[in-house]
Amino acid sequence: EADIYQTPRYLVIGTGKKITLECSQTMGHDKMYWYQQDPGMELHLIHYSYGVNSTEKGDLSSESTVSRIRTEHFPLTLESARPSHTSQYLCASSEGGRETQYFGPGTRLLVL
Amino acid sequence: GEDVEQSLFLSVREGDSSVINCTYTDSSSTYLYWYKQEPGAGLQLLTYIFSNMDMKQDQRLTVLLNKKDKHLSLRIADTQTGDSAIYFCAESRFGGATNKLIFGTGTLLAVQP
Repeated sequence: EADIYQTPRYLVIGTGKKITLECSQTMGHDKMYWYQQDPGMELHLIHYSYGVNSTEKGDLSSESTVSRIRTEHFPLTLESARPSHTSQYLCASSEGGRETQYFGPGTRLLVL
Repeated sequence: GEDVEQSLFLSVREGDSSVINCTYTDSSSTYLYWYKQEPGAGLQLLTYIFSNMDMKQDQRLTVLLNKKDKHLSLRIADTQTGDSAIYFCAESRFGGATNKLIFGTGTLLAVQP
């Protein structure tokens, strides 16, 4: 069983606010990922990281940014939230050299 | 195409077997996965299969892989109401310097009591 946590679980916020979605894992995994999932839709990779100080854009363009200062922590930031950012954001991690990804519970973001 | 495809819905009666199908596109995928997502929750890894295997069984779950047709299926024996969820298949693709998961649209499994 994987230990990967996301906070907040739900966030309702007004347009223009800066928000940070937190993701942390206690397994010492090198690789971490952020996916975006619109209601009823498939998941799309928006960011990933190989390890500390490494961040890469995913397949789906996103206005969000990420940072990886510590192995266990991979926060995602939106500088100015818009209604188009309304979605579910799922964080995942995997052990270096292994492909299986373990997911957190997700953050549901609603921007009004 | 680039997509991993699944049917959107499957309805079964409690106690019957469920078979959820998926077609993928990258013949070089090393691993293929099945994830379960319950309402309001994240994705739970159910099982995975390595590409050199044809079948993998884990309790009530059986995964079948037809590599020639790029077809993956998940069979759930003795389906229970607690199995109602969305089931995603995913293929692992190598892109850049890392493997990425490409997900299907998910199949909503509805179990009738």
